[in-house]
Amino acid sequence: DAKTTQPNSMESNEEEPVHLPCNHSTISGTDYIHWYRQLPSQGPEYVIHGLTSNVNNRMASLAIAEDRKSSTLILHRATLRDAAVYYCILSHGVYNTDKLIFGTGTRLQVFP
Amino acid sequence: DSGVTQTPKHLITATGQRVTLRCSPRSGDLSVYWYQQSLDQGLQFLIQYYNGEERAKGNILERFSAQQFPDLHSELNLSSLELGDSALYFCASSPGQGVIYEQYFGPGTRLTVT
Repeated sequence: DAKTTQPNSMESNEEEPVHLPCNHSTISGTDYIHWYRQLPSQGPEYVIHGLTSNVNNRMASLAIAEDRKSSTLILHRATLRDAAVYYCILSHGVYNTDKLIFGTGTRLQVFP
Repeated sequence: DSGVTQTPKHLITATGQRVTLRCSPRSGDLSVYWYQQSLDQGLQFLIQYYNGEERAKGNILERFSAQQFPDLHSELNLSSLELGDSALYFCASSPGQGVIYEQYFGPGTRLTVT
């Protein structure tokens, strides 16, 4: 199973950009890269996902390396509400039996 | 608010007992996923249903079972409860059956086994 490696924790100041790295050196060609986050005392929340090209949405940007062995979640201007655990996940298996395997994630602290 | 509801919010029960956790997916979503989150194991996928049928299985114990009903709500049944079953149980829903579809998580049910 393809696995991801993330730093245990990161810190940022409010209104600054945040780059959350994720390594997935054993990714296969059909694996999607997903990012979810979990705010304190809440269920996980979808952030973004991609396959090969960089992706943008209202919450964040996902930059995927050309060899796909790493990716970076970019929060353009961190707010206090962005303090959460961020999970980088690869989906694996054939389409109909995909499942998300959550790792330990990166705990992001945001300071005022 | 994700649109996914879970009941009850909290449940306290004794070892050996059986409980049922309920999940109502977002309107229109056909897939329901169950996850368990404990301090030592993290967030673990248990099982997925799509339109009433089991689609994927994760680390679900034999003492646990689930089903999805015709109205698409789902129930997770936990029996012969052990102290180690104490955890947060999350339900998530999505419109399709593959993980390329965004999953919307409910607020969770906190189970405490004493």
